[in-house]
Amino acid sequence: GAVVSQHPSRVICKSGTSVKIECRSLDFQATTMFWYRQFPKKSLMLMATSNEGSKATYEQGVEKDKFLINHASLTLSTLTVTSAHPEDSSFYICSASLQETQYFGPGTRLLVL
Amino acid sequence: GNSVTQMEGPVTLSEEAFLTINCTYTATGYPSLFWYVQYPGEGLQLLLKATKADDKGSNKGFEATYRKETTSFHLEKGSVQVSDSAVYFCALRRGSSNTGKLIFGQGTTLQVKP
Repeated sequence: GAVVSQHPSRVICKSGTSVKIECRSLDFQATTMFWYRQFPKKSLMLMATSNEGSKATYEQGVEKDKFLINHASLTLSTLTVTSAHPEDSSFYICSASLQETQYFGPGTRLLVL
Repeated sequence: GNSVTQMEGPVTLSEEAFLTINCTYTATGYPSLFWYVQYPGEGLQLLLKATKADDKGSNKGFEATYRKETTSFHLEKGSVQVSDSAVYFCALRRGSSNTGKLIFGQGTTLQVKP
């Protein structure tokens, strides 16, 4: 149990376009989900906390207008990278909380050309 | 502020060797401590956790003890296998269980050779 999926697993897009990444909790409901960014050989950086039915809470330095987060249901949160640029290329990982543990998705590799 | 520091990697060991990956933290109050593992091409999986001082987390032969006096949570395994090759992340969490943020160390890559 406690499986989190992400879609797509990898995406390549042109500079200036927007990309949506989905995070789903498959067998449990999650009122809170988290979005992280992981750079090569670096740790995970928390971008924002996504709360079902309310606005996301962004970490300092993360542009909320660029990284749009929507948590419309208890099993789905989406991250939209708007007007993507090459420096947005990264590995994006989501997690969902269940009973004091965060369960992580497999990640989405974004490459912006 | 809150932070987690892990030993630099990569750590390269032969099969059946003893493993220690050091982790120290800085935090106010009483954080919960975690070890996560990331296998190649996969997401993070919770390996073990400890929620209060002197607790020992254990799973799959791995152990870590929450040492408040030394602010440490070192990961150990008595005999590693090739299948243990992965990146290991130490993390802490303050705040309530479901909304508390995880703060990660930089990760330590473990390579186990047959």
